[in-house]
Amino acid sequence: NAGVTQTPKFRILKIGQSMTLQCAQDMNHNYMYWYRQDPGMGLKLIYYSVGAGITDKGEVPNGYNVSRSTTEDFPLRLELAAPSQTSVYFCASSTSGSGNTIYFGEGSWLTVV
Amino acid sequence: AQSVTQPDIHITVSEGASLELRCNYSYGATPYLFWYVQSPGQGLQLLLKYFSGDTLVQGIKGFEAEFKRSQSSFNLRKPSVHWSDAAEYFCAVGVSGGSYIPTFGRGTSLIVHP
Repeated sequence: NAGVTQTPKFRILKIGQSMTLQCAQDMNHNYMYWYRQDPGMGLKLIYYSVGAGITDKGEVPNGYNVSRSTTEDFPLRLELAAPSQTSVYFCASSTSGSGNTIYFGEGSWLTVV
Repeated sequence: AQSVTQPDIHITVSEGASLELRCNYSYGATPYLFWYVQSPGQGLQLLLKYFSGDTLVQGIKGFEAEFKRSQSSFNLRKPSVHWSDAAEYFCAVGVSGGSYIPTFGRGTSLIVHP
């Protein structure tokens, strides 16, 4: 019972490098999300998607890009990594409609040096 | 737009003591309310949720929460805390209709002393 799977779990990037955080869900959920979590700041929504081919910006989208070519996958691309992007990233998914439970991945710890 | 406030950054309790974590929301209509728990190094897991009906909601791991419309609150409670309850707790509020993008509070860190 995989749920939401994120890779990699840990990564160190140098300033200016780029990388992609992978996210896959096997629950046939329409909605998928990317959050970042910084100490004492809670969860900040980066991007979300309500279905394949549809994405939209969240609260903190700058420096990131996403795509949603399939229902299952929702990768997050970091372009030109900066120290401010050091954070824990969570991918999540839910069924469409209000009030449904959001299922989270285990997180990806990213450090930019 | 909806918002949620968790006024306590840290809460420290002794094992076996009762617990109440506070959550206040701002939204014009009846919201959907959630509590999630995050154990160290893990993602978030749903504890309980409120949509409508009975304002006292039971969740997993012996937790409960009460929706109080007059106070715009949805506080989480547990009568007797176990050491394994030490974690980060997040309150979240969602709205009816349209895209479902919930808003999360900044979290409350629960420390349990033996």
